[in-house]
Amino acid sequence: GAVVSQHPSWVICKSGTSVKIECRSLDFQATTMFWYRQFPKQSLMLMATSNEGSKATYEQGVEKDKFLINHASLTLSTLTVTSAHPEDSSFYICSARGGHQPQHFGDGTRLSIL
Amino acid sequence: RKEVEQDPGPFNVPEGATVAFNCTYSNSASQSFFWYRQDCRKEPKLLMSVYSSGNEDGRFTAQLNRASQYISLLIRDSKLSDSATYLCVVNRNQAGTALIFGKGTTLSVSS
Repeated sequence: GAVVSQHPSWVICKSGTSVKIECRSLDFQATTMFWYRQFPKQSLMLMATSNEGSKATYEQGVEKDKFLINHASLTLSTLTVTSAHPEDSSFYICSARGGHQPQHFGDGTRLSIL
Repeated sequence: RKEVEQDPGPFNVPEGATVAFNCTYSNSASQSFFWYRQDCRKEPKLLMSVYSSGNEDGRFTAQLNRASQYISLLIRDSKLSDSATYLCVVNRNQAGTALIFGKGTTLSVSS
């Protein structure tokens, strides 16, 4: 079945560091990718929707200058957490869909900012 | 009002029990409905889609009431391996748009 690969799976960084997370669709062309964030004991919260070749659409309350999303190809989207701080520590998950495909989720990235 | 609301539980049941989860959603334009399962510290995995006519997959039965904007999941003959968090998920509006997740209902099945 369709596979979405997310990398890295775990990141520990110092406060102030920028962190890039990659989301790749391995066997289909992902016209749309979604980025979610999940804090402990909370639901997955949609951060942004990204269509290939277009600017991402951010959810209310998500800072676009803080969370930079690039979706330059049909198989890759990246999320960069700029100048990360401890409150950005969370579980970040991407999902991808293309054509009539349902959404497929990556394995998630656990980000810890010290 | 939250877009998708669920009773967080936890539901603690013995093996073999039948357990039901409920969910309500606020956007009447939503067209696709799902139940996902999430194990601790893992990504969510699709359990089943939910159709208006109701649908069954083995021990799992899902139902949708569009008029009441209500979704349910019934698990029969619970197994230890069913212990997880069950997420009620709807798409925002048109098919193919972002999925909106409920907070999840935690199920713990014990022997």
